Amino acid sequence: KAGVTQTPRYLIKTRGQQVTLSCSPISGHRSVSWYQQTPGQGLQFLFEYFSETQRNKGNFPGRFSGRQFSNSRSEMNVSTLELGDSALYLCASRNSNSPLHFGNGTRLTVT
Amino acid sequence: GQQVMQIPQYQHVQEGEDFTTYCNSSTTLSNIQWYKQRPGGHPVFLIQLVKSGEVKKQKRLTFQFGEAKKNSSLHITATQTTDVGTYFCAGPGNQFYFGTGTSLTVIP
Repeated sequence: KAGVTQTPRYLIKTRGQQVTLSCSPISGHRSVSWYQQTPGQGLQFLFEYFSETQRNKGNFPGRFSGRQFSNSRSEMNVSTLELGDSALYLCASRNSNSPLHFGNGTRLTVT
Repeated sequence: GQQVMQIPQYQHVQEGEDFTTYCNSSTTLSNIQWYKQRPGGHPVFLIQLVKSGEVKKQKRLTFQFGEAKKNSSLHITATQTTDVGTYFCAGPGNQFYFGTGTSLTVIP
């Protein structure tokens, strides 16, 4: 089975721009969750999608949004980028009782 | 809200020494999972503990779930340079609550 695929691997944006990150889950996995990882804050939960519906949301501003498509692929969008949004964004997929399977992440740098 | 804390945040050990990281949750957990993230990599699932007082071993790694199901530990015996990375515990709830992680450095 192919693993979780995230694109792109690296992104450089400037403040005020917006960005869209993509995640393709493991085939058959219907849950996709997103995490922000920074050196000082560890893994921070952004949101989780299941069957195209947002199931849970972390404590992030509305500039962070996401969606899930009928094939379970997911995208997250960050608008009006700030320097503090520089981070590794990780996507993870799972089935109902399985552990999380993470992708390699997208390294976002905001200048 | 639910919080999961880990100590220590960083640990440097000489190769061959033992290492332990501790995980504490503010609430009772139905289960606890452990993940390892190598430098430059992504978290990879190691193990899940479900029962109160459960102990599981994977070669040199020993995982323990507390009796009250609010704490857990990971112990590595005779560390090797391949053990380098950050170890996270995670407890399920409305979301997965990840611990703050323990970064392990092994000095050859």
